[in-house]
Amino acid sequence: DAGVIQSPRHEVTEMGQEVTLRCKPISGHDYLFWYRQTMMRGLELLIYFNNNVPIDDSGMPEDRFSAKMPNASFSTLKIQPSEPRDSAVYFCASNRQGPNEKLFFGSGTQLSVL
Amino acid sequence: KNEVEQSPQNLTAQEGEFITINCSYSVGISALHWLQQHPGGGIVSLFMLSSGKKKHGRLIATINIQEKHSSLHITASHPRDSAVYICAYTPTSGTYKYIFGTGTRLKVLA
Repeated sequence: DAGVIQSPRHEVTEMGQEVTLRCKPISGHDYLFWYRQTMMRGLELLIYFNNNVPIDDSGMPEDRFSAKMPNASFSTLKIQPSEPRDSAVYFCASNRQGPNEKLFFGSGTQLSVL
Repeated sequence: KNEVEQSPQNLTAQEGEFITINCSYSVGISALHWLQQHPGGGIVSLFMLSSGKKKHGRLIATINIQEKHSSLHITASHPRDSAVYICAYTPTSGTYKYIFGTGTRLKVLA
């Protein structure tokens, strides 16, 4: 299995631009999680999906952030418009059964908003 | 206040040393997780446990539910063990949010 695949690995953009991060979970995994990691706050859950349905988006910082999962093999996290404070590493993770199971992480997207 | 306390925050050891990283939490949990994040940034889930002890190679994780405490031990440490080790738990409240510690940065010198 290829694992959780994220793209791009690095994204540098200017303030105000739209940013789209992509994730392909491991086949057969019903749960997909988007996390953000910063030096100040560590790892934070932004949103998670179960069977393509968003279950908890209370971690999404504001309306500029949106996430979709149109099918079981693809999810996007979009920031529009981006701001410098959005600079962070964004991780996607998946597993079969949710919280009481190991998480499988993608390699992350390093986002820099100038 | 972070709901997960890890200690130490930073640790430098000589190759071959026995290493212990501690994790304390204050609420009821469904499971506790230990993660490893290498300098390249990738995160790997090492253990998930809700009681007792688990072992994988040179890594051992223990948990004491009554004392709300978990430890990660590394025997015969090696420079390739250098990484950030993160403790996280899933609460019993029903939310699927993992609550993460801030991590312990380990450096093993050759």
